[in-house]
Amino acid sequence: AQSVSQHNHHVILSEAASLELGCNYSYGGTVNLFWYVQYPGQHLQLLLKYFSGDPLVKGIKGFEAEFIKSKFSFNLRKPSVQWSDTAEYFCAVNAPQAGNMLTFGGGTRLMVKP
Amino acid sequence: KAGVTQTPRYLIKTRGQQVTLSCSPISGHRSVSWYQQTPGQGLQFLFEYFSETQRNKGNFPGRFSGRQFSNSRSEMNVSTLELGDSALYLCASSPEGVGGYTFGSGTRLTVV
Repeated sequence: AQSVSQHNHHVILSEAASLELGCNYSYGGTVNLFWYVQYPGQHLQLLLKYFSGDPLVKGIKGFEAEFIKSKFSFNLRKPSVQWSDTAEYFCAVNAPQAGNMLTFGGGTRLMVKP
Repeated sequence: KAGVTQTPRYLIKTRGQQVTLSCSPISGHRSVSWYQQTPGQGLQFLFEYFSETQRNKGNFPGRFSGRQFSNSRSEMNVSTLELGDSALYLCASSPEGVGGYTFGSGTRLTVV
């Protein structure tokens, strides 16, 4: 079974700082990768996804992620965060051969100080 | 385009009761998945339905069940509720069941 690790549980940044959230997964086969964001009191929203092709994926709101297959990683980045980026971020993996479900990491709570 | 609609938004039930939650997927989406979100366990997969058939099931006891109707709407049922079932239950739909999952706002269930 696949598993997903997000090593940073809580991150506090000042506005305009750069962001990188780590995500590692364990599964040897083909994977689809996702980052979701959950703003306070709101539902999960898809930030970006990787299925195949260019390992550098650009998403909404200036976020991007890089898939490094050799490291089983899919880290999320943003060059300059804003106060409105305060939210919880979830990395998720789908292994199509194992079925149609998402395995989520534990989440990273990001607080951006104005 | 309407999103994924879950009803009700909030529920309070007593231990031992049963509960039914409803999910209406995005029009045209045939796959519906359910997830449980708790502070301690995070987001965990419950089950997935596609064309009225359960295709995948997570590691939850048999008290958790679901079904999907011909219009792709789905329900999940939890019988003999326990305090530990208190959680946010999320529904997600996707067009053909792979990728592109859109989540609803969830049903917050509190068991007292």
